[in-house]
Amino acid sequence: AQKITQTQPGMFVQEKEAVTLDCTYDTSDQSYGLFWYKQPSSGEMIFLIYQGSYDEQNATEGRYSLNFQKARKSANLVISASQLGDSAMYFCAMRAGYSTLTFGKGTMLLVSP
Amino acid sequence: KAGVTQTPRYLIKTRGQQVTLSCSPISGHRSVSWYQQTPGQGLQFLFEYFSETQRNKGNFPGRFSGRQFSNSRSEMNVSTLELGDSALYLCASSSTPGQGTSGTYQETQYFGPGTRLLVL
Repeated sequence: AQKITQTQPGMFVQEKEAVTLDCTYDTSDQSYGLFWYKQPSSGEMIFLIYQGSYDEQNATEGRYSLNFQKARKSANLVISASQLGDSAMYFCAMRAGYSTLTFGKGTMLLVSP
Repeated sequence: KAGVTQTPRYLIKTRGQQVTLSCSPISGHRSVSWYQQTPGQGLQFLFEYFSETQRNKGNFPGRFSGRQFSNSRSEMNVSTLELGDSALYLCASSSTPGQGTSGTYQETQYFGPGTRLLVL
């Protein structure tokens, strides 16, 4: 079974600053994938970034990067140059093999002007 | 390419009624998963379908059921609605379920806008 832990219920950041959202995971599988999703107040879950357990480089997608530390079982999301539109709920999730996608409880990010 | 679509977007029902929610995956995607999201329980997996077969099922009562059609569209049904069924129901699609053919990566699930169900 997989488990995702997001310890930050909420985070505040000023516009144009960088922010790190924490995520730790637990699994006994060697092959797995880690995902980050953004959920604005509208409800839609928007895929941001993916990191495979065998990927040697940290994933990056525009302003999003994933700080993957396999030995520590952490997969933190880094958002550079925050924008007002980044205010949303952020979920870390993982999947191994043909199991289901397991989500953390999420972190609410608020970006202030 | 069009994204995942879900209908209806909003629904109000009364206790005891039944409801059917629909999900059309991204073109070419054959795997569809359903999730229930509530403030108290967070995101909970309901079921996953691939090629019209249920592959995985979450820990929900038998009142929750689903199916997938030959065109990959999926429906979920909740019978005898209870107040606690009020939630956002999210559908997600991926090209295949779980890991890719090499076993070294996981297919990304792309979500629809959700259906907000309110049970009165």
